[in-house]
Amino acid sequence: TQLLEQSPQFLSIQEGENLTVYCNSSSVFSSLQWYRQEPGEGPVLLVTVVTGGEVKKLKRLTFQFGDARKDSSLHITAAQPGDTGLYLCAGDRSGGGADGLTFGKGTHLIIQP
Amino acid sequence: DAGVIQSPRHEVTEMGQEVTLRCKLISGHNSLFWYRQTMMRGLELLIYFNNNVPIDDSGMPEDRFSAKMPNASFSTLKIQPSEPRDSAVYFCASSRTSGGIMGEQFFGPGTRLTVL
Repeated sequence: TQLLEQSPQFLSIQEGENLTVYCNSSSVFSSLQWYRQEPGEGPVLLVTVVTGGEVKKLKRLTFQFGDARKDSSLHITAAQPGDTGLYLCAGDRSGGGADGLTFGKGTHLIIQP
Repeated sequence: DAGVIQSPRHEVTEMGQEVTLRCKLISGHNSLFWYRQTMMRGLELLIYFNNNVPIDDSGMPEDRFSAKMPNASFSTLKIQPSEPRDSAVYFCASSRTSGGIMGEQFFGPGTRLTVL
C-alpha cells in the first residue's frame, strides 16, 4: 500500500493549458514537499508546505496543503514545455525528519509545444 | 559547492557480484539518505543517517544490502551478492536537519545499476 497516492500517474497536455495534480494520504503529515525530477537527474525541491490550508505560489505554480494536512495539490497555469518532468510529493510524518521522507510515485507530466 | 556527488554514474555487473555505490555529502549537511527508484515502486527510502548514525534502515530490502558512513561527508551502499531485481537508479541525498521541519533534501545525480 502506497502511503502517498499521486494522481494522475501520467498527464500529457498542450502548451498553454492549465492542470492540477494531486497527492493524497490517509496519514497526517507535519510537512509536505513537492519535487520535480528531470530525466537523468535527481529530484529538486520546489516547495515545502507546513500549515494546514497553506497556499504557496512559485510563478505559475500554486501549491496547496489540505486543511487536515493529509493531502496537497499542485496547479500549473499556462503550462510550458519547460514544465515537463516527474512531479513528486514527499511527506514528513514525524517532524524534523526523524522518520525520513515518504515519497509518492509521482506524476509524469508532458507539455507538448 | 559541487552538490552531492555520486559514483559511479552507471554500473553494469553480473548476478552474484559485489557492488559498491559511493556518495559525498554537501559540506555542512548532517543527514544522509539512500533511495532506490524504479518505475514499478517509485522512489523508496532505503536508509537514513543523522550525524553519522543510522536512524532508520527499515527500507533496506534484505541482508544483502548494507550502508556505512565512515565519516561526516562520505557514505557507501554495498550490495553483496547482487541480483537482477536490484537493477534500479540509486540516489543519495543530503540535508541539514536540526529538529522541527524537515530541511530540503539535495539529491545527487544517481547511479544507474544494471545487474545481468
